[in-house]
Amino acid sequence: GAGVSQSPSNKVTEKGKDVELRCDPISGHTALYWYRQSLGQGLEFLIYFQGNSAPDKSGLPSDRFSAERTGGSVSTLTIQRTQQEDSAVYLCASSSPSTTQYFGPGTRLTVL
Amino acid sequence: SQKIEQNSEALNIQEGKTATLTCNYTNYSPAYLQWYRQDPGRGPVFLLLIRENEKEKRKERLKVTFDTTLKQSLFHITASQPADSATYLCALEWRVGEYGNKLVFGAGTILRVKS
Repeated sequence: GAGVSQSPSNKVTEKGKDVELRCDPISGHTALYWYRQSLGQGLEFLIYFQGNSAPDKSGLPSDRFSAERTGGSVSTLTIQRTQQEDSAVYLCASSSPSTTQYFGPGTRLTVL
Repeated sequence: SQKIEQNSEALNIQEGKTATLTCNYTNYSPAYLQWYRQDPGRGPVFLLLIRENEKEKRKERLKVTFDTTLKQSLFHITASQPADSATYLCALEWRVGEYGNKLVFGAGTILRVKS
């Protein structure tokens, strides 16, 4: 595709529910990244994929957060038993060895 | 501790003037420093990258300086326009693995250009 796409654009859920956020990277980009941006804050790194493996998961806040990537393309970020502090915009980015990171529009998650 | 600091206050300037945004960092030794623009409801958009061995980089009305001794980068927009109004993010970059790069972002500075 022309750019990184994410779905859904907005997600409202109740505390304790599980959510899945999807990222479609730019075709051919081998690296994929997830970030979280809370209101008025900078982007917080969550996890990095190279192909289907995740050599750096250091930013995942707790074991309620997990991510996978299949076929070297689409990635899903899953948050189990959501809490109100999980409310944020979740941004995905992709890159190739010769490019910087290109960001998607983000998914705004609201946990009630 | 490691920190990246940008102007915490919004920067309000008049159209046509030069906007200067600051990024200071401590306890990092990045290979690169990047500047991104972010509009409300959108993801960041890459603007400029400067390497640790470069002092200055220009692109059209944009100029970035990088002082690794002071651990500071300055981002200038000359002849500013209302369309330049946005949040500008500074990011430090390292290579990770064979093909990836890791970015650590500052909180951003809001720029408002008034006509």
